[in-house]
Amino acid sequence: DAGVIQSPRHEVTEMGQEVTLRCKPISGHNSLFWYRQTMMRGLELLIYFNNNVPIDDSGMPEDRFSAKMPNASFSTLKIQPSEPRDSAVYFCASRLDGQETQYFGPGTRLLVL
Amino acid sequence: QKEVEQNSGPLSVPEGAIASLNCTYSDRGSQSFFWYRQYSGKSPELIMFIYSNGDKEDGRFTAQLNKASQYVSLLIRDSQPSDSATYLCAVNLETDSWGKLQFGAGTQVVVTP
Repeated sequence: DAGVIQSPRHEVTEMGQEVTLRCKPISGHNSLFWYRQTMMRGLELLIYFNNNVPIDDSGMPEDRFSAKMPNASFSTLKIQPSEPRDSAVYFCASRLDGQETQYFGPGTRLLVL
Repeated sequence: QKEVEQNSGPLSVPEGAIASLNCTYSDRGSQSFFWYRQYSGKSPELIMFIYSNGDKEDGRFTAQLNKASQYVSLLIRDSQPSDSATYLCAVNLETDSWGKLQFGAGTQVVVTP
């Protein structure tokens, strides 16, 4: 299996621009998690889905952030408008129901200037 | 109070020695406990997990749980330079059945030759 796939791997944008991060979970996995990692705050869970349905978005920092999962093989995390404090590494992870392990993608390094 | 706490380190360990990492958690009803390893610039990868009913040994790694004191430890025997990484502790909260994890900030381990 290819593992969790994320794109782009790196993104540099200017403040105010829209940013879209993409994730393809491992085939067959039911749950998908979006995390953000910074030096100051560590690894934070933003939102997670189960069977394409958002279960808990309490970690989404504000209305500028939104996430969708239109089907079992694709999810997006959108930031609009982006701000410099959004600069971080964004990870997507997937998990198969009944199993404990979350498998992380390679991450997207976002820099907002 | 953070739900999962770790000493940020760095923890310096001579090659061949035992590295001992600790993690405390606040949710007394937590059922499963995870140790992830993260190399610099890479994504977290699962080393091992344990349930609240027992410890586990896997090769050079041992995870132990002290429920009374609410901490979980990771021992790395015969430490190697390749073990130099940040180790993230994660806990599955009792109130969540969807696999949601709460991560600690991580402990940086440096194995010196």
